[in-house]
Amino acid sequence: QQPVQSPQAVILREGEDAVINCSSSKALYSVHWYRQKHGEAPVFLMILLKGGEQKGHEKISASFNEKKQQSSLYLTASQLSYSGTYFCGTEGQGGSEKLVFGKGTKLTVNP
Amino acid sequence: EPEVTQTPSHQVTQMGQEVILRCVPISNHLYFYWYRQILGQKVEFLVSFYNNEISEKSEIFDDQFSVERPDGSNFTLKIRSTKLEDSAMYFCASRGGKVTDTQYFGPGTRLTVL
Repeated sequence: QQPVQSPQAVILREGEDAVINCSSSKALYSVHWYRQKHGEAPVFLMILLKGGEQKGHEKISASFNEKKQQSSLYLTASQLSYSGTYFCGTEGQGGSEKLVFGKGTKLTVNP
Repeated sequence: EPEVTQTPSHQVTQMGQEVILRCVPISNHLYFYWYRQILGQKVEFLVSFYNNEISEKSEIFDDQFSVERPDGSNFTLKIRSTKLEDSAMYFCASRGGKVTDTQYFGPGTRLTVL
């Protein structure tokens, strides 16, 4: 069961904030966030684990609600370079399992 | 910073031909994965590999697909008889052994089946 991401697309002006959500119908071990620019590989942004541990880039923040099986990615003071498609990948209870990706949220940051 | 590498970057083949996509994972990583992404769609899991064997595979990964880690550094995906619908970007990913480790993706191989 793939996670559901919302919104599907966001258009921002430089400096504005955005929140991207990811929810799953199954119990999760972790949520991984990636950004993909057109024609490139997904680039790791952040991992959030059951129990509260997280690891990622300093300028990115995210939350993981284990009970609701939801995660949100917070993009503040957006820059032009933030444009791309953001994917959440969810991992089941086993850990070190495959990632099941959502359909992505396309973020466009305009000057 | 260590990275996953993949070759070739673009492979064009005729339907029915065999292709081998190659990946060199990050050297101290223990888990290896292949994903594919059809143009404009989400990334889909194909197979995971750990301790020299497949640990999980998806419905997409049928008998036409196989993976190998022949020499301790390379990790290959073979498609025996390609179909038009195999055209996609194929990403290799690798992951360390800690629970806090995420999967790092290679740059991908664009496979075009004619």
